[in-house]
Amino acid sequence: DAGITQSPRHKVTETGTPVTLRCHQTENHRYMYWYRQDPGHGLRLIHYSYGVKDTDKGEVSDGYSVSRSKTEDFLLTLESATSSQTSVYFCAISETGRDGYTFGSGTRLTVV
Amino acid sequence: GQQVMQIPQYQHVQEGEDFTTYCNSSTTLSNIQWYKQRPGGHPVFLIQLVKSGEVKKQKRLTFQFGEAKKNSSLHITATQTTDVGTYFCAVSGGYQKVTFGTGTKLQVIP
Repeated sequence: DAGITQSPRHKVTETGTPVTLRCHQTENHRYMYWYRQDPGHGLRLIHYSYGVKDTDKGEVSDGYSVSRSKTEDFLLTLESATSSQTSVYFCAISETGRDGYTFGSGTRLTVV
Repeated sequence: GQQVMQIPQYQHVQEGEDFTTYCNSSTTLSNIQWYKQRPGGHPVFLIQLVKSGEVKKQKRLTFQFGEAKKNSSLHITATQTTDVGTYFCAVSGGYQKVTFGTGTKLQVIP
């Protein structure tokens, strides 16, 4: 979908290393979200943001931190990657938080 | 947070057959959203239902919100191979965020 990009698209990293995933939007939407998707678990919310420097935890936030210093960028950081964090990570944006979400193309992260 | 049960988990149909997936909640929902994710792709928003008993159609897709606002269904008439993917429902899980169901994976056999 136009207006939201994630980088990198793929990453392989070693256990214990820090990793940062980036979500960039050009829609000027207030709300941004990070989800992880794993087989059998669907999409689970990690963290979300409701404005610049305003963030909150989701249901699976342990081991993750986020930052939003600009409206357009929402960063997800794994401080010390573990194999359990191997997953596909999706960023999503929403104008009001109650309308449909627009998802990025995802980042496939493998922790070895 | 809000929990939803989505059934079935998997569905295989012959091309041309109909398909239905259901989303059920034990509590009253304020609204429900439906998404489709193609294999290897990302979720794409299809529709949002808000009103009790609401029915919306998008070509061969019919979305329904239960009268008690505790369940919803997505029905596809005469499936095509382009319908292949996983269909998710999503419900409000608190302040301006949604909780996704586990999805129904649809396979269409040509």
